[in-house]
Amino acid sequence: NAGVTQTPKFQVLKTGQSMTLQCAQDMNHEYMSWYRQDPGMGLRLIHYSVGAGITDQGEVPNGYNVSRSTTEDFPLRLLSAAPSQTSVYFCASAGRYNSPLHFGNGTRLTVT
Amino acid sequence: RKEVEQDPGPFNVPEGATVAFNCTYSNSASQSFFWYRQDCRKEPKLLMSVYSSGNEDGRFTAQLNRASQYISLLIRDSKLSDSATYLCVVDGGSQGNLIFGKGTKLSVKP
Repeated sequence: NAGVTQTPKFQVLKTGQSMTLQCAQDMNHEYMSWYRQDPGMGLRLIHYSVGAGITDQGEVPNGYNVSRSTTEDFPLRLLSAAPSQTSVYFCASAGRYNSPLHFGNGTRLTVT
Repeated sequence: RKEVEQDPGPFNVPEGATVAFNCTYSNSASQSFFWYRQDCRKEPKLLMSVYSSGNEDGRFTAQLNRASQYISLLIRDSKLSDSATYLCVVDGGSQGNLIFGKGTKLSVKP
């Protein structure tokens, strides 16, 4: 009963490096999303998807790309890491948007 | 006015106390309301949905006031294990997606 699985749990990048945060869910959820959480800022939506092949921008999309080639997977790509992207990233899924979200364990990213 | 506002706390209460959190939202078209709980360095987890008529789950009671655009969470007989940050979550109306408040931190002391 895996739910939402995120990898890696921790990552350190140098400025300018790129990387992909992986997210997979096994609940056949149509809706998937990525949030970042920073102290004092709460959870902010980066990108979301309402189904395979469909993605859209959230509140803070700059510097990130996503794709949704399958229902199960929703990777988040950092194109050129910046110190401002140091944060905790959460992937979440739901049966449909506005339904309760199920969160992954999070990825703690530090960009130096 | 921010979309979803909560008192950040912290609320420091003794075991057995009753504590209430309020949350206001700005979009009158919002239809879905939730309370999440987040433990330190963990992911948010759904505590309960909030229904128009109010709802209760054990020691937890959630209320919705559409006219004043606020929701509340009441915790009775607080336990040490209730210590966490409580997040108010509201849908963005026609724009969809869920909007999270910044959370209210609760610390229950022996």
